[in-house]
Amino acid sequence: DAGVIQSPRHEVTEMGQEVTLRCKPISGHDYLFWYRQTMMRGLELLIYFNNNVPIDDSGMPEDRFSAKMPNASFSTLKIQPSEPRDSAVYFCASSLPDSTDTQYFGPGTRLTVL
Amino acid sequence: RKEVEQDPGPFNVPEGATVAFNCTYSNSASQSFFWYRQDCRKEPKLLMSVYSSGNEDGRFTAQLNRASQYISLLIRDSKLSDSATYLCVVNRVGTASKLTFGTGTRLQVTL
Repeated sequence: DAGVIQSPRHEVTEMGQEVTLRCKPISGHDYLFWYRQTMMRGLELLIYFNNNVPIDDSGMPEDRFSAKMPNASFSTLKIQPSEPRDSAVYFCASSLPDSTDTQYFGPGTRLTVL
Repeated sequence: RKEVEQDPGPFNVPEGATVAFNCTYSNSASQSFFWYRQDCRKEPKLLMSVYSSGNEDGRFTAQLNRASQYISLLIRDSKLSDSATYLCVVNRVGTASKLTFGTGTRLQVTL
């Protein structure tokens, strides 16, 4: 079975541009999580969804960040406008409803904002 | 104070050595504990859960000390393939869905 799929794997953009990261969770997983990882702050939870509904977005750094999950097999994380401090690796993860402690991560999107 | 704290390392050990990592957490009401492993430029993957009674999986042993609020991971007979960053993970009180990750301890096993 395919794992969590993320695209693009690498993104280089200029400050002020819009960036859209995509994620396809494992089929049958009801929970989807977006994380950001930096050297200084480690892995931080940005937002998570249950059955396509955002449950907790308290980790979203500011209004420039938004996330959607229009259906069970697709989610996006958008940054508009992007800033250099947004440079990080963004991971998407999914889990089963009765096992949310076990999260399966995608390969990540390495974002560089110049 | 960070919710989960780990020594970043790196721990450089020869193949065959035994190495131990500790992790402390700040919220005494935390309920679930885990070790995840992250290889360089890869995604984190669950290594093992940590139970109050301690648990072992092959060369790996995890233990929890609730009184002192720390978690440990012991790796025996280290292999080159054990080289990675080990992330200590704690669930947040109130919801099992939200995991808090430590910044990780890097292990480098050498010949």
